[in-house]
Amino acid sequence: EVQLVESGGGLVQPGGSLRLSCAASGFTFSNYWMSWVRQAPGKGLEWVANIKQGGSEKYYVDSVKGRFTISRDNAKNSLYLQMNSLRAEDTAVYYCARDHAVAATDYWGQGTLVTVSS
Amino acid sequence: QSALTQPASVSGSPGQSITISCTGSSSDVGRYKYVSWYQQHPGKAPKLMIYEVSNRPSGVPIRFSGSKSGNTASLTISGLQAEDEADYYCSSYTGSTTLDRVFGGGTKLTVL
Repeated sequence: EVQLVESGGGLVQPGGSLRLSCAASGFTFSNYWMSWVRQAPGKGLEWVANIKQGGSEKYYVDSVKGRFTISRDNAKNSLYLQMNSLRAEDTAVYYCARDHAVAATDYWGQGTLVTVSS
Repeated sequence: QSALTQPASVSGSPGQSITISCTGSSSDVGRYKYVSWYQQHPGKAPKLMIYEVSNRPSGVPIRFSGSKSGNTASLTISGLQAEDEADYYCSSYTGSTTLDRVFGGGTKLTVL
């Protein structure tokens, strides 16, 4: 059974940092692109970043470029999102997701809430 | 790149069919066959229902179907069931490295 379990969310002050982790199991992690998608409270979905199987290619939405870094450790079946210089507008539930086909994700974690507030 | 446009809400009675539209542009929906649809129940993670315009992942009922014409994609649910009540989001590949995919604003489906 495919499982994605996020951790690392919490309350952080504006300008602060957080590192999200996603533990993957039930599939060959190194075979898949992986994505982070977020959802602000009561709002819609927003793609944040994705990373190629080996980690050689990484892409980000403009609003987080230069502040967030996506990475992966295939030996540990883990995906990460380092978030720096956090802003109030980054407040959201962050989902770890497995890319199934081009720009489609077939498995999602339960999400981890990041709240940026003073 | 703007978000895709979906109706805020749709409704239907059990057994009926409904269609949710998703309008983009010639840069996303109109250009690529990579349109997906997701179902999200309150407090839950999204679930992939349709990918590449009309393909259903394993386990998704055949009541769910997708199509596309020009810059508009559509999700049709036939034989509505109570458990179909949820939010539905469309998504399209954009071909841009700074916005891999764009989502619609979501549609709340109410089963009357």
